[in-house]
Amino acid sequence: DVKVTQSSRYLVKRTGEKVFLECVQDMDHENMFWYRQDPGLGLRLIYFSYDVKMKEKGDIPEGYSVSREKKERFSLILESASTNQTSMYLCASSTTPLLRAEAFFGQGTRLTVV
Amino acid sequence: GEDVEQSLFLSVREGDSSVINCTYTDSSSTYLYWYKQEPGAGLQLLTYIFSNMDMKQDQRLTVLLNKKDKHLSLRIADTQTGDSAIYFCAETLFSGGYNKLIFGAGTRLAVHP
Repeated sequence: DVKVTQSSRYLVKRTGEKVFLECVQDMDHENMFWYRQDPGLGLRLIYFSYDVKMKEKGDIPEGYSVSREKKERFSLILESASTNQTSMYLCASSTTPLLRAEAFFGQGTRLTVV
Repeated sequence: GEDVEQSLFLSVREGDSSVINCTYTDSSSTYLYWYKQEPGAGLQLLTYIFSNMDMKQDQRLTVLLNKKDKHLSLRIADTQTGDSAIYFCAETLFSGGYNKLIFGAGTRLAVHP
């Protein structure tokens, strides 16, 4: 059974903290993605990666960075958490080429920054 | 632009048909998708349609594609309470040398007795 696992379901962090969100997939997928989900805005792409050590900015990369040291793991980093980064974060993975591939999602991490 | 637009809410009676609509902007999108998100869960692919098709049927689901109007719809026949969820329309967009999956805001479907 395909699986994308996000390390935490719920997180509460303080403003200014450095926050790490971890995502692991067991399907040997090349592509991995980080989205944030906000009511009325849907899913917005933060960063994505098509290969190990490779990363590309999505539509809203400001305030975030990513790391992909191993194929199965894609980490999202909030360098200095702010209250406007309170959101649901979703990780996804897919095979190449993306055009025909189903994206598999993790269950999400609900992050609250206080 | 890279907008995929959907209405935010739909309420239907159990047993009726539901129709969720979506408009997209990239006429070159090859595949268009419908994802379903149940409460507390991530998204799951429900169905997809290739751009050279007008219609695709899969059990209770019917997807209609109007390429001229860039309009995609999802019809759920005999809607059940288990169909209550958020439904996302998505398209693949080639931008900056890469293919990206772009989602709409999601339509929350509420099924009532």
